[in-house]
Amino acid sequence: GAVVSQHPSRVICKSGTSVKIECRSLDFQATTMFWYRQFPKQSLMLMATSNEGSKATYEQGVEKDKFLINHASLTLSTLTVTSAHPEDSSFYICSASDRDEQYFGPGTRLTVT
Amino acid sequence: DAKTTQPPSMDCAEGRAANLPCNHSTISGNEYVYWYRQIHSQGPQYIIHGLKNNETNEMASLIITEDRKSSTLILPHATLRDTAVYYCIVTSGTYKYIFGTGTRLKVLA
Repeated sequence: GAVVSQHPSRVICKSGTSVKIECRSLDFQATTMFWYRQFPKQSLMLMATSNEGSKATYEQGVEKDKFLINHASLTLSTLTVTSAHPEDSSFYICSASDRDEQYFGPGTRLTVT
Repeated sequence: DAKTTQPPSMDCAEGRAANLPCNHSTISGNEYVYWYRQIHSQGPQYIIHGLKNNETNEMASLIITEDRKSSTLILPHATLRDTAVYYCIVTSGTYKYIFGTGTRLKVLA
């Protein structure tokens, strides 16, 4: 099946700093990518839908100025958590879609100290 | 809100079939049923999907009722490595997925 990678797999940052997470589709072109957040013992929560070359569509309650999404190419989308706070600590997962299904990345664990 | 409901947890003996139910009573005619699983601290893994016919692949079988209001994922011979959270998702193809709470399957030795 198709492979989606995320980088970094783990990141620790200080409160008030920004951190960027990359999501790449390695062997296919993805016109649409999705970003999810998952807190411990909870389900995945969709944050935003990212289409190549256009602005991301954010789910209700997700601050677009805090979670900046860029989808500049058909194989790369980035999520930047700006001015991170401890409550932003979470597991961030991206997915990329082809015609039939979504392929998920391995996730990025963000810890804000 | 998720369009699916699943039991929160299930146990299954190793080597036996695991049958995971999912209710999706408000499913629309053009919506598919997808199943994914998530092993601890990893991204979800695709298992199988279907529209109205039963489907089988190397991992599992998917049984969809005739009225399409519910489905069952069958792992024919569960192993310890099948211990995971299983998510049933209803979606129009590659449209956004809304995850429910899933079923935490524990395979017992």
